[in-house]
Amino acid sequence: AQSVTQLDSHVSVSEGTPVLLRCNYSSSYSPSLFWYVQHPNKGLQLLLKYTSAATLVKGINGFEAEFKKSETSFHLTKPSAHMSDAAEYFCVVRAGGGATNKLIFGTGTLLAVQP
Amino acid sequence: DGGITQSPKYLFRKEGQNVTLSCEQNLNHDAMYWYRQDPGQGLRLIYYSQIVNDFQKGDIAEGYSVSREKKESFPLTVTSAQKNPTAFYLCATGAGKFISNQPQHFGDGTRLSIL
Repeated sequence: AQSVTQLDSHVSVSEGTPVLLRCNYSSSYSPSLFWYVQHPNKGLQLLLKYTSAATLVKGINGFEAEFKKSETSFHLTKPSAHMSDAAEYFCVVRAGGGATNKLIFGTGTLLAVQP
Repeated sequence: DGGITQSPKYLFRKEGQNVTLSCEQNLNHDAMYWYRQDPGQGLRLIYYSQIVNDFQKGDIAEGYSVSREKKESFPLTVTSAQKNPTAFYLCATGAGKFISNQPQHFGDGTRLSIL
């Protein structure tokens, strides 16, 4: 069965410093992985997705993630944090193979950005 | 412009009352999903529909019901049997079960509280 584990429930960085949000996954097949961002009282917005093409995936707002099969990881990074990056981030894996698009969500990482 | 509209944004329910949350989309997506979000638990799937006039239970369907009479609409009813309905409810759409590896798109949610 597929699952994702977000290793940190809260991360705090200073503005202008790098961001690292960690995610490990478990999957019986080649996974489809996503990172979403959620601002308070809003829906989720897709940041980026990995679907077995390039292992380094670039997303919106300067974020990127690297798929590492040997480490079963899909960590999200950004070189320089901005105040507007403060939000909750979800690592997500597509459930099952074949004809289904059900998603399994991690429990989220709340990113705080200090001035 | 294309998108997903959830209404109302805030909803209050009295004990013993059924309430219906609306989700409308104009993205022409076949699949629609309802999630419940509680603090620290990520998103959990309530119901989903891959095509009109068909829907399946998700992981936490008890106390909820849905219908899918039109492609554009997927209303969720929170019944009086749901004993802990206070949560943030998110509707999402996707390209459908025959198009894999595609992300889901989310509405801005409805926050339901008990009076």
